[in-house]
Amino acid sequence: KNQVEQSPQSLIILEGKNCTLQCNYTVSPFSNLRWYKQDTGRGPVSLTIMTFSENTKSNGRYTATLDADTKQSSLHITASQLSDSASYICVVSGGSNYQLIWGAGTKLIIKP
Amino acid sequence: DSGVTQTPKHLITATGQRVTLRCSPRSGDLSVYWYQQSLDQGLQFLIQYYNGEERAKGNILERFSAQQFPDLHSELNLSSLELGDSALYFCASSVGGQEYPPRYGYTFGSGTRLTVV
Repeated sequence: KNQVEQSPQSLIILEGKNCTLQCNYTVSPFSNLRWYKQDTGRGPVSLTIMTFSENTKSNGRYTATLDADTKQSSLHITASQLSDSASYICVVSGGSNYQLIWGAGTKLIIKP
Repeated sequence: DSGVTQTPKHLITATGQRVTLRCSPRSGDLSVYWYQQSLDQGLQFLIQYYNGEERAKGNILERFSAQQFPDLHSELNLSSLELGDSALYFCASSVGGQEYPPRYGYTFGSGTRLTVV
């Protein structure tokens, strides 16, 4: 079954600290993997998109990595800011029907 | 402002009723996608329209239907509402859409929060 699992479910860190969010998937065949940021009550906003051949991609303080062999991805946030408080969603494209499979997200809270 | 407009922002209605959610895509985008997000759940793809035609279907209930009009705005109709239909309903749009999912991603609106009481 095509699934995307994210960990941790929630995370609280202090402003200025770094953190890493994890995404494991079982989607096959794999097409690409995207990370979205979703502020409370808002629609998701794309952070990065990576294909099979890419193993790292950065967007400002956000760096995503992809290991297609182990089917794992991570999103690293550097020098966190209060505005980083949001849910971070991993989305994998693929499967026999070429679908988008959405993870449930990691809820990140940045405290001053 | 993402350019994708959804109305209304909030909707409270009783069980058994019918509601219509509206979405105007970003200028130039031909595809509209509808998603449902229940509390603390991942987004569930409902349906996609491309230039007025249904393109892809996800986990959309038979009580739900959608359409895309010639001006490219879309409406999602939810009928015989149940308590479990309470959720955030998002619309997204993309330039392309002849393929699903869109190769270069899409832009989401701010959603309509539906509460069924």
